[in-house]
Amino acid sequence: DGGITQSPKYLFRKEGQNVTLSCEQNLNHDAMYWYRQDPGQGLRLIYYSQIVNDFQKGDIAEGYSVSREKKESFPLTVTSAQKNPTAFYLCASSISLAWNEQFFGPGTRLTVL
Amino acid sequence: GESVGLHLPTLSVQEGDNSIINCAYSNSASDYFIWYKQESGKGPQFIIDIRSNMDKRQGQRVTVLLNKTVKHLSLQIAATQPGDSAVYFCAENRDRGSTLGRLYFGRGTQLTVWP
Repeated sequence: DGGITQSPKYLFRKEGQNVTLSCEQNLNHDAMYWYRQDPGQGLRLIYYSQIVNDFQKGDIAEGYSVSREKKESFPLTVTSAQKNPTAFYLCASSISLAWNEQFFGPGTRLTVL
Repeated sequence: GESVGLHLPTLSVQEGDNSIINCAYSNSASDYFIWYKQESGKGPQFIIDIRSNMDKRQGQRVTVLLNKTVKHLSLQIAATQPGDSAVYFCAENRDRGSTLGRLYFGRGTQLTVWP
């Protein structure tokens, strides 16, 4: 089945630790995105990438980092600089940056202990 | 400011009734709109989309209406079923003419279907 996978589903982090969230897609999509979702709020864009080895900051990039070494993979690292990292993180992909329809993964719930 | 918003944060309907979920937008430059359904603890799923050159688009049990005059978007679900219970998001692409097809999301409406 084609789609987007995220792992792990649940992640717990101690304060001061960096953690990396995985996102893999086999849809052959060029563009990939990371969103953060907080309770009762819409999705906010963290980072996006339109092609391998290229990525851009979204609206709330502070405290996060990404890499795009392979077309299929777009991991997100939540660093200790992110002051309030507890949230639901969603990865998405689209055919290209100019193609509006985005496909979402199942999400990772990150909790800081 | 410019935003994608929703008139009601929650909507409760009885099984079998029709549901209407509303969305207001303020950017007249937006030329693409999309509705997603998100079940608890899962990622959003595509429902239906519409471009600004259309007023109406129908899918299976769902219809999206676009009123550009008043900048209003609605999602109609016919014969609502318990499995339709979820949060529904509208999103818009404000960047007409740009190579960046990013979406801007509203807060969502929680739809609850009662038996």
